[in-house]
Amino acid sequence: QSVLTQSPSASGTPGQRLTISCSGSSSNIGSNYVHWYQQLPATAPKLLIYRNNQRPSGVPDRFSGSKSGTSASLAISGLRSEDEADYYCAAWDDRLRGVIFGGGTKLTVL
Amino acid sequence: QVQLQESGPGLVKPSETLSLTCTVSGGSISTFHWSWIRQPPGKGLEWIGYIYNSGRTNYNPSLKSRIAISVDTSKNQFSLRLSSVTAADTAVYYCAILYIDGWYLDSWGQGTLVTVSS
Repeated sequence: QSVLTQSPSASGTPGQRLTISCSGSSSNIGSNYVHWYQQLPATAPKLLIYRNNQRPSGVPDRFSGSKSGTSASLAISGLRSEDEADYYCAAWDDRLRGVIFGGGTKLTVL
Repeated sequence: QVQLQESGPGLVKPSETLSLTCTVSGGSISTFHWSWIRQPPGKGLEWIGYIYNSGRTNYNPSLKSRIAISVDTSKNQFSLRLSSVTAADTAVYYCAILYIDGWYLDSWGQGTLVTVSS
C-alpha cells in the first residue's frame, strides 16, 4: 500500500482537460515538493513535473502541476492519444527519510 | 545529456545476491547524486536507495538490511547489491539521477528485468 494515494485509473476523450490527484500527509506532500512521472507502455518512467509545477525542457505546456496542503494534482489539457500512460506522483517523506511514490494512475484516452 | 544504462544478470537464484551496475555516459559520476528504483511486474514504483557524490548512502528502511549501493568513479559507474533475494524481489530495476534540491529523479535508465527463480 503506497503512502501517497492516487486513483488507479482515469479516462478522457481527445481534446478534454483531465486532472489526476495525489493525496499524502504532513510528512510528505505537506512539507516537501511533489513531482510527477509519466510511464508510457513498456518504457522507463520520465520526469514530467518537478517541484510542484515546473516542467523539464521538452515537456509540453499541456501538462501542469499544482499543490495545496497535503494534496497535489496533475492537469492535462488538450488530451491526446499519446498521453495514454501510467502517471506517478512522488515526494520526499520526512518520517521515512526517503522518496515515496503514489500507486500510479493509468490514463486511458477513449 | 547524461545517459544511464543498467546491466547485470537477468536471473538470480533465491537466497543469492543480486548485483546490478549503472553506467553513466555524457557526464561525470562525481557531478551528480544517484538512485535505484524498482518496479515489480504490473505494479508501481518503489524507491530502493541513493548515494551522494560524496559516497554517503540512504536506503529504503524496508530493504536497508539487504542493500548496498556504491560508486566506482574510475569506471563512471554505480552499483546495487541486494542480498538474500526472494521471488518478491523480481522486478525491473532502474537507475536515475537524484536531484536533492527537491528530491526528484531524472534521466532514468531503460531498466533491466531481474527474475528471482531457481
